[in-house]
Parts: sequence; structure tokens; C-alpha cells
Amino acid sequence: AQSVTQLGSHVSVSEGALVLLRCNYSSSVPPYLFWYVQYPNQGLQLLLKYTTGATLVKGINGFEAEFKKSETSFHLTKPSAHMSDAAEYFCAVSEINSSASKIIFGSGTRLSIRP
Amino acid sequence: DARVTQTPRHKVTEMGQEVTMRCQPILGHNTVFWYRQTMMQGLELLAYFRNRAPLDDSGMPKDRFSAEMPDATLATLKIQPSEPRDSAVYFCASQRGPSGTDTQYFGPGTRLTVL
Repeated sequence: AQSVTQLGSHVSVSEGALVLLRCNYSSSVPPYLFWYVQYPNQGLQLLLKYTTGATLVKGINGFEAEFKKSETSFHLTKPSAHMSDAAEYFCAVSEINSSASKIIFGSGTRLSIRP
Repeated sequence: DARVTQTPRHKVTEMGQEVTMRCQPILGHNTVFWYRQTMMQGLELLAYFRNRAPLDDSGMPKDRFSAEMPDATLATLKIQPSEPRDSAVYFCASQRGPSGTDTQYFGPGTRLTVL
């Protein structure tokens, strides 16, 4: 079965600094990988996803993630943090079987931005 | 701008009462998910439907929870009787099709407090 592990439940960076949120996955088949973001008092929304093709995936709000099969990782990065990036971020992998597909979410990483 | 809608947004009730949460998926989406989010457990998948048929409700406490899709535009999650441990934010999400690459679109959630 597929699973994801997010390293660090809370990450704090200064405004303008690099954002790096770590995610490792486990999958016996080629994975489909996602990053979702949740702003306070809102539902989750998709930041970006990897399905096939280019391993560097660009998403909204300047975020990107790179699929590294050899490291089973899909870390999320942003070169320069903005105060509006403060939110909870979820890495996810799609679990596919013959009849259905669902997403397995990680435990989330709360990103705080220091002025 | 198509969105998933959920009602009510907030619900406070007393232990033992019945609670019904409603979700309107995005028009044309045939897959609907119910999640529960708490600080302790994170995001848990309760159940999901495709073309109104339940595919997996293994995450749902069967004795008190029930989920249905009376029609393609309405999904309901019912708790009877409710307990304080059911206090959480309940999210509905919809997806266009069955593919593992499809994006899930989340509603704003129903914040349930059981006293």
C-alpha cells in the first residue's frame, strides 16, 4: 500500500528565505504525487501534482516540487517565502487499485513565516 | 468559478443528537469524498462514492455514521447519535473522474462541536 511521510510537523522560515518542506513516499507502483495547501479555516486546495513526464513540477504561488525516484522523495520548495505562504501543507500519494483510486494524505507540515 | 459547497459551516450540538452534514459537489464530478480533520488524527478519509455508489466506507464508524448520495448533486453524512469525540471539521471533496491523476476539490468544511 502507498504511504507518505512528511518530515517536520512545523517549519518556520523568515520572509524572503527559502522554503523546503520534505515528503517521502512509499509505493510499489509508479506513484502519482500531490501537494495540497490549507489556509486557516479553509479546505485544501491543490498546489501541484506529478503524474508522468517532467520530474520538476511547477505549481501555483511560486512553489515547485521535484520527483526523485531514487530517493523516493517529492520535496516542496519556494525560493522566497512570503507572509501569505503561512498555511498547512499536505503531501499525498494516489492509491490506485482495480476499482477505485483515492488519495493518501501525509500528516501535514505547518509553515510559519517570520517577518 | 465552480466550487464544492457544504452546509452548515458550523454546528454545535449536544451529545446524543443527530447531525446531518450536506455537500454539493461540483457539477459534472462523479466522485465524492468525505474526510474528517482533527488535531490528533489529522486528515482521515471516511468514505467515498463514485456515480453515487459507495466504494469504500472502511474509515467510518459503522455504528453511528452513515453516508449517502441521494442524487448526483447532494452527498450527506449523518451521525446518530453524536458523541463529543466526533467534534472535528468534516470536509467534502469532489473529483471529475476515477483517475488517480484527477484533482480533488475541497469544500470549506463543516466545523462540528458536540458538547
